[in-house]
Amino acid sequence: NAGVMQNPRHLVRRRGQEARLRCSPMKGHSHVYWYRQLPEEGLKFMVYLQKENIIDESGMPKERFSAEFPKEGPSILRIQQVVRGDSAAYFCASKSVAGGDYGYTFGSGTRLTVV
Amino acid sequence: GESVGLHLPTLSVQEGDNSIINCAYSNSASDYFIWYKQESGKGPQFIIDIRSNMDKRQGQRVTVLLNKTVKHLSLQIAATQPGDSAVYFCAEKGGGSARQLTFGSGTQLTVLP
Repeated sequence: NAGVMQNPRHLVRRRGQEARLRCSPMKGHSHVYWYRQLPEEGLKFMVYLQKENIIDESGMPKERFSAEFPKEGPSILRIQQVVRGDSAAYFCASKSVAGGDYGYTFGSGTRLTVV
Repeated sequence: GESVGLHLPTLSVQEGDNSIINCAYSNSASDYFIWYKQESGKGPQFIIDIRSNMDKRQGQRVTVLLNKTVKHLSLQIAATQPGDSAVYFCAEKGGGSARQLTFGSGTQLTVLP
C-alpha cells in the first residue's frame, strides 16, 4: 500500500533548463494538489487537479509553470526556463473522492535546486 | 488575502513535559483544520484534524483545541519525546467550495534530553 510517490527526490537544473516533477497519487486517489515550500516557510498552494482536469490553478505562476494529470500515469509539474527563485521543495498531496475533507496525504517532495 | 500564522517560531521542551503549539487563523469561513509534522527532508505527516463544528479532538498523545471566537488553534502533545522534534504546521481549509489548504509558517519543536 504505497503512499504518494514523488520523483525525483532531488533535481538540479541550470538556469534556463526545464524541470519535470512527477507525482503518483495513492491508489484510489483521483485528486492531486501541488504545493511549493521555500526554506523555513510553510507550504504554498499551487494547483489542484483531477484526472484530465485542472480544477484550480490560482496559486501557480502564469508563466513558465504548467501541470497535468493524465488519464494514465503520474501528475506532472513542469517548470520551463527555470530561474534561481524556483529553487524550493515541491510537494504533492493526493486525496480520494470519498475522503471528503479528510485524507490529504503528502509525498516526500522533490527538492529542486537551480544553479 | 487570508493567512494562517503561528505565535512562536521555536519551542524547546524537556523530554516528558507537555508541549503546546499555537496557531492563529484569519479566515472565519474555514471549516476544517489539520496539524502536520514535518521532519527534516521529509513531507508533511498528518497528526490530527478537527472540523469547525468541534472544539476539541483527541488522538494518541495529541489533542487539538479550536476556539472559533478568537480564531485560535492549538496542538497539545503529552509526554513529549525526542522523536517529536520537528516543525509543526497548522493548515486550514476555507469553507464552501474551497479545496486547497492554507499553511502557517511553522513552529520548530525541539525536545531537550
